[in-house]
Amino acid sequence: SAVISQKPSRDICQRGTSLTIQCQVDSQVTMMFWYRQQPGQSLTLIATANQGSEATYESGFVIDKFPISRPNLTFSTLTVSNMSPEDSSIYLCSVEKLAGDEQFFGPGTRLTVL
Amino acid sequence: KNQVEQSPQSLIILEGKNCTLQCNYTVSPFSNLRWYKQDTGRGPVSLTIMTFSENTKSNGRYTATLDADTKQSSLHITASQLSDSASYICVVISGGSYIPTFGRGTSLIVHP
Repeated sequence: SAVISQKPSRDICQRGTSLTIQCQVDSQVTMMFWYRQQPGQSLTLIATANQGSEATYESGFVIDKFPISRPNLTFSTLTVSNMSPEDSSIYLCSVEKLAGDEQFFGPGTRLTVL
Repeated sequence: KNQVEQSPQSLIILEGKNCTLQCNYTVSPFSNLRWYKQDTGRGPVSLTIMTFSENTKSNGRYTATLDADTKQSSLHITASQLSDSASYICVVISGGSYIPTFGRGTSLIVHP
């Protein structure tokens, strides 16, 4: 298994500001992902965080809005930039030790943008 | 387009009763199907993982079934407890790419 922690657990932010969310895993993992979960909706993959290279973004998500870092095999950050109320959501970090393996999720960061 | 549809959207039952949640999918090719439980304010936690050759798998009071021919799965909860109140998410993993397709979840509320 993998134990994942996220910081902060929740935040309330003003429009136009940016927030960086941290994801820490207790063991080295190959795959790290960032998801968004809006109320009543399924999880939506934002991007795959690649160690040592630029993240791979899904359709509808861009690096300027959601810059991602992954400096090593146990840590990643997601920044939500120039926030608007539409960015209010839960942001989840997820990992797989190997591609296609069991997927583990962090507790999520609940973001509210006023 | 790969899709995962879950029903019902929400369900309210009395403590001690059984219930069954449904998941239909169109994902192809297929690798495996997963059921997750997500408590309020928490990330999803895996309940079962089923491959093509498995048609039933249990985890305590949770039993998942899979019919790969009809592309349907169900999650049966036996003797429900208040702690079963959560969202249950069905996820289907594509073969080869391992890309997950998530359902919207079924919100289950267990009343005393």
